[in-house]
Amino acid sequence: DVKVTQSSRYLVKRTGEKVFLECVQDMDHENMFWYRQDPGLGLRLIYFSYDVKMKEKGDIPEGYSVSREKKERFSLILESASTNQTSMYLCASSSRLAASTDTQYFGPGTRLTVL
Amino acid sequence: AQKITQTQPGMFVQEKEAVTLDCTYDTSDPSYGLFWYKQPSSGEMIFLIYQGSYDQQNATEGRYSLNFQKARKSANLVISASQLGDSAMYFCAMRERLGGGATNKLIFGTGTLLAVQP
Repeated sequence: DVKVTQSSRYLVKRTGEKVFLECVQDMDHENMFWYRQDPGLGLRLIYFSYDVKMKEKGDIPEGYSVSREKKERFSLILESASTNQTSMYLCASSSRLAASTDTQYFGPGTRLTVL
Repeated sequence: AQKITQTQPGMFVQEKEAVTLDCTYDTSDPSYGLFWYKQPSSGEMIFLIYQGSYDQQNATEGRYSLNFQKARKSANLVISASQLGDSAMYFCAMRERLGGGATNKLIFGTGTLLAVQP
């Protein structure tokens, strides 16, 4: 079974803090994704990566950066957290070999609150 | 631009009955894929079923089936014999091809909250 884990289920931070959200997958997937989920908006793509050290902006990259130093790990960084970044953050991965379906497998999510 | 629309914010269904969750999509790409995910209150997104645009048959996975009507651009999820554990948010998603072919991304609808009543 594909397993995607995220470092925290719940996180509370203060405005201006630097925040790291970690995601690890154990299926040797090439592609990894970070989404945020807000009520009424569905999931929106922040950043994705299709290889180590490669990153691409998604639909809402402002205020975020990412790091992928190892294939299994994809980190989302909030350089200076703001209250409008309070949200549920979901990490996902998929295999390039399964390009015909590109099924993405998700982690349990991190509910971040910025005070 | 590609778009996914789920018009039902919430639905009730009686246990053991079937329920249909609506999803319509818009794309000009002849090759696309459609997905349904389930998100229980725990938060994890669980992959349920996939339908490719060239698939001749409707996809089925256990109690889940996808009613794919290409001409109408709809991909409704049918859950047969609902169970209490089916209570969750359900998201329809479509694969969008990105330039360069490095990977694809998913576009999600806003979701439908399903409540199964005993």
